[in-house]
Amino acid sequence: SQQGEEDPQALSIQEGENATMNCSYKTSINNLQWYRQNSGRGLVHLILIRSNEREKHSGRLRVTLDTSKKSSSLLITASRAADTASYFCASRDRDDKIIFGKGTRLHILP
Amino acid sequence: GAVVSQHPSRVICKSGTSVKIECRSLDFQATTMFWYRQFPKKSLMLMATSNEGSKATYEQGVEKDKFLINHASLTLSTLTVTSAHPEDSSFYICSASLAGFGDTQYFGPGTRLTVL
Repeated sequence: SQQGEEDPQALSIQEGENATMNCSYKTSINNLQWYRQNSGRGLVHLILIRSNEREKHSGRLRVTLDTSKKSSSLLITASRAADTASYFCASRDRDDKIIFGKGTRLHILP
Repeated sequence: GAVVSQHPSRVICKSGTSVKIECRSLDFQATTMFWYRQFPKKSLMLMATSNEGSKATYEQGVEKDKFLINHASLTLSTLTVTSAHPEDSSFYICSASLAGFGDTQYFGPGTRLTVL
């Protein structure tokens, strides 16, 4: 069953602003990954954060992980039109099962 | 590096026919490949995990006789949707993992299946 939950479900912001998306999960995890999916396309891996890490950066992306709250956040700074997409978190639990969230649809307004 | 391809990208078939979807890791050997299904406006659902040379492990609720998975080599896994019906219409995505567990998955571009 799908346990991951992202919020918000949809987010519209002006170009140049920062976008923050959150993800919660229910079981203990080995790692958590964030993916981007452009409309009608496959998933693109963005960043992986392991359970013993608290924060990770990659370019304009910043991911945090709070295992005590079972939550993660993805921050995209200085958003661009090309960032318009759906963003999914995927947690890998102790049984190595991957659980995807429902995703956040991000729309960058010009 | 770490490119995964899927073929075909789109397929339209008649109800009752079988459709085979290929997933290939182009520049690495994938110990484990995963098959997902995505319903419109919904999240990905893991269907099965396949390890090279062994039987696939199916998720609860996924019919193994309906969705046949073969992982004959370290670079190729196939998903065959047997006796397809309109409700099987969906976006099917595969992914491959370099080391199997606890590692980054690289996703294929997906296959859009439409069953008439």
